[in-house]
Amino acid sequence: GAVVSQHPSWVICKSGTSVKIECRSLDFQATTMFWYRQFPKQSLMLMATSNEGSKATYEQGVEKDKFLINHASLTLSTLTVTSAHPEDSSFYICSARDPRRGPHTDTQYFGPGTRLTVL
Amino acid sequence: QKEVEQNSGPLSVPEGAIASLNCTYSDRGSQSFFWYRQYSGKSPELIMFIYSNGDKEDGRFTAQLNKASQYVSLLIRDSQPSDSATYLCAVNQAGTALIFGKGTTLSVSS
Repeated sequence: GAVVSQHPSWVICKSGTSVKIECRSLDFQATTMFWYRQFPKQSLMLMATSNEGSKATYEQGVEKDKFLINHASLTLSTLTVTSAHPEDSSFYICSARDPRRGPHTDTQYFGPGTRLTVL
Repeated sequence: QKEVEQNSGPLSVPEGAIASLNCTYSDRGSQSFFWYRQYSGKSPELIMFIYSNGDKEDGRFTAQLNKASQYVSLLIRDSQPSDSATYLCAVNQAGTALIFGKGTTLSVSS
């Protein structure tokens, strides 16, 4: 399958600081990437859909000013958690849709995730 | 509200048995159906996708889709302890984000 990377794999930061997470599609160009958050023993929660060259679409209840998403190229999307607080501690996972499989397939490949701990 | 329902489990099966995982979805317009496996502390890994009614086999895995019943299942033959994980069902319409179920935890005992 397609390869999606994330960096960093884990990060610990102080409350009030900002953290940037990168998501890269390594062997394909991804016009659409997705950002998810997963709390322990819960399912994936879609935060936003990131489209290359345009503004991200945020899910209801997700603060766009707190979770800044930039998709400046076809292989890179970034999520910046601004003014992080302990309740933002979670497992953040990105995924990218592989367009090589044609217009009727929406197979998404996930990055390995970033574990954020806010002290 | 588009929903995907899965039994949270845990589903426990002995090694070598067939594990059957089930999923129902509410949106009749759903077109694509996916099964992901997630080990604890890791991100989801795609196992299979299916678009047409019927069965699709890939190695020890068989996905079954019944759009009339809005039902998707995953069968794992010859279950191994390494299959122990949470299995996520996901559906979507073309071009939209995946909607995930909460996952079923499978435990395969040796």
